[in-house]
Amino acid sequence: DSGVTQTPKHLITATGQRVTLRCSPRSGDLSVYWYQQSLDQGLQFLIQYYNGEERAKGNILERFSAQQFPDLHSELNLSSLELGDSALYFCASSPRDWIFTDTQYFGPGTRLTVL
Amino acid sequence: SQKIEQNSEALNIQEGKTATLTCNYTNYSPAYLQWYRQDPGRGPVFLLLIRENEKEKRKERLKVTFDTTLKQSLFHITASQPADSATYLCALGPDSNYQLIWGAGTKLIIKP
Repeated sequence: DSGVTQTPKHLITATGQRVTLRCSPRSGDLSVYWYQQSLDQGLQFLIQYYNGEERAKGNILERFSAQQFPDLHSELNLSSLELGDSALYFCASSPRDWIFTDTQYFGPGTRLTVL
Repeated sequence: SQKIEQNSEALNIQEGKTATLTCNYTNYSPAYLQWYRQDPGRGPVFLLLIRENEKEKRKERLKVTFDTTLKQSLFHITASQPADSATYLCALGPDSNYQLIWGAGTKLIIKP
């Protein structure tokens, strides 16, 4: 158990809908990262928050947004969903704003299926 | 653009042998390289980190090499066990966004 929790574990919804994925980082970790993993694809970095502030953005669609709250949990909002948004969404956390020598701890993921 | 390649085909190894996985990269000079293990339906788990000025790192049955001339990292599991069966991901950084770039992973199957 990494200490990172994500809810829900599975989500099935229809095209055009909006969903919210939730992540609680490990106790004491200030950075939260969101990744998307499609079938047979590598992890695609979406966005990073550090202590409540947006730190870096990757290939995140304009239909997607995120935020980190004062208690450090984070939410990823996906709107106007398309079939191609079906994927595993992972949240990871790390102690600092530096992941190259720090370990990233990944949550169990949320599997999103858009029908 | 920066590109990372890992063997897309599954690697089948007999139990007890050494498994060797490859991570190649192009158009890039990473300072750090990490290896993760991912089991089906679960999040990746960190295994090893190696820096650009290090040639080799070991941890128990695991060994990682980093050849910046060949632009390649090799990940070895010695005395492999069926429990080592998983997908192994390499990740390099920093990129221009100060993040890690991830390979698609290689599926390793250890047969008893």
